[in-house]
Amino acid sequence: AQSVTQPDIHITVSEGASLELRCNYSYGATPYLFWYVQSPGQGLQLLLKYFSGDTLVQGIKGFEAEFKRSQSSFNLRKPSVHWSDAAEYFCAVGVSGGFKTIFGAGTRLFVKA
Amino acid sequence: NAGVMQNPRHLVRRRGQEARLRCSPMKGHSHVYWYRQLPEEGLKFMVYLQKENIIDESGMPKERFSAEFPKEGPSILRIQQVVRGDSAAYFCASSPIEGAETEAFFGQGTRLTVV
Repeated sequence: AQSVTQPDIHITVSEGASLELRCNYSYGATPYLFWYVQSPGQGLQLLLKYFSGDTLVQGIKGFEAEFKRSQSSFNLRKPSVHWSDAAEYFCAVGVSGGFKTIFGAGTRLFVKA
Repeated sequence: NAGVMQNPRHLVRRRGQEARLRCSPMKGHSHVYWYRQLPEEGLKFMVYLQKENIIDESGMPKERFSAEFPKEGPSILRIQQVVRGDSAAYFCASSPIEGAETEAFFGQGTRLTVV
């Protein structure tokens, strides 16, 4: 069965420091991978997505993610975190041939001054 | 072009009452998805609908929950005889076409509290 694992429930990063949020997926075929961000009390906003091609994808707000097939990972990175990045981040996999998107449990990012 | 609109944003119901959650997809979108988010958990797929059709309801509890997306009007997620465990945030998403690679646009959610 398809699944998405985000090993870190909470992460705290100093403003200006680099960030990496981990995501591992389990899926038999080539996945469609997404990262979403959810600010408190809000819906989800798409940061970036990977379907094929270049394994390093650029997204909005300075985020990027790298697809590593050998590790079944799709980690999200940002070189310098801003206080406004504090939010919850969800990794998700789209099931090919279907329409369900499977979400991870999320990683809550705290940014300290 | 307004985004996905969900209402109400917050809903309080007593145990045993009915809850109706509404979702108006983005203009031109004919595919609607409902997800539930329990505290400290990710989103769990509930149901996928197209106009007048339920395509996949594999994530819906077998009892008390139903969903519709009529030809006219918003999609409705209905929960009958609510219980405390139904307290959660319910998100609706819409997309213009079907497919795993299609980005879904999310509403701001309805936070249901059962007292």
